[in-house]
Amino acid sequence: GAVVSQHPSWVICKSGTSVKIECRSLDFQATTMFWYRQFPKQSLMLMATSNEGSKATYEQGVEKDKFLINHASLTLSTLTVTSAHPEDSSFYICSARSVSNTEAFFGQGTRLTVV
Amino acid sequence: SQQGEEDPQALSIQEGENATMNCSYKTSINNLQWYRQNSGRGLVHLILIRSNEREKHSGRLRVTLDTSKKSSSLLITASRAADTASYFCATDATGAAGNKLTFGGGTRVLVKP
Repeated sequence: GAVVSQHPSWVICKSGTSVKIECRSLDFQATTMFWYRQFPKQSLMLMATSNEGSKATYEQGVEKDKFLINHASLTLSTLTVTSAHPEDSSFYICSARSVSNTEAFFGQGTRLTVV
Repeated sequence: SQQGEEDPQALSIQEGENATMNCSYKTSINNLQWYRQNSGRGLVHLILIRSNEREKHSGRLRVTLDTSKKSSSLLITASRAADTASYFCATDATGAAGNKLTFGGGTRVLVKP
């Protein structure tokens, strides 16, 4: 199946710094990628839909200036958590769907810990 | 926001037993998908069932869909310790690549050897 690679798999950062997470579709073009956040023992909560070449669509309650999304190419979307705080600590997961597949392919996830 | 509710939230069974989990949703769908997540990892697609299908099989997995009740079930037969994971249903309203999936709350399955 198609592969989506997410990097880094884990990161620890100091409060106030920014962290960038990359999501790459390795063997297909993804015009749309999705960013999710997941708290322990909970489901995935969609944060935003990343559209190649245009602005991301954020879900209600998600601060677009806090979680910057860039989808500059058909294979790469990035999520930058700006001025991170301990409450931003979470598991972030990206996914992508190709036009030929109805299923979604997920990255491995990124465990962010803000200290 | 989550559309699906999954039941049970957690399930503990012995190896060899069957595991059944249910998913209910609220709005019309193009398809419903089931995913598996091992602890601390991304999700892996298991099976997709379209709105005009009622049952689908894949290996030890059996999925049913009742659109009149807006519900789906996932059955894992002859479970193995390696099946220990969280299982999520996800609904897709349109089937288009640009459309988001909406996930249920998940069922945590523990298969004891």
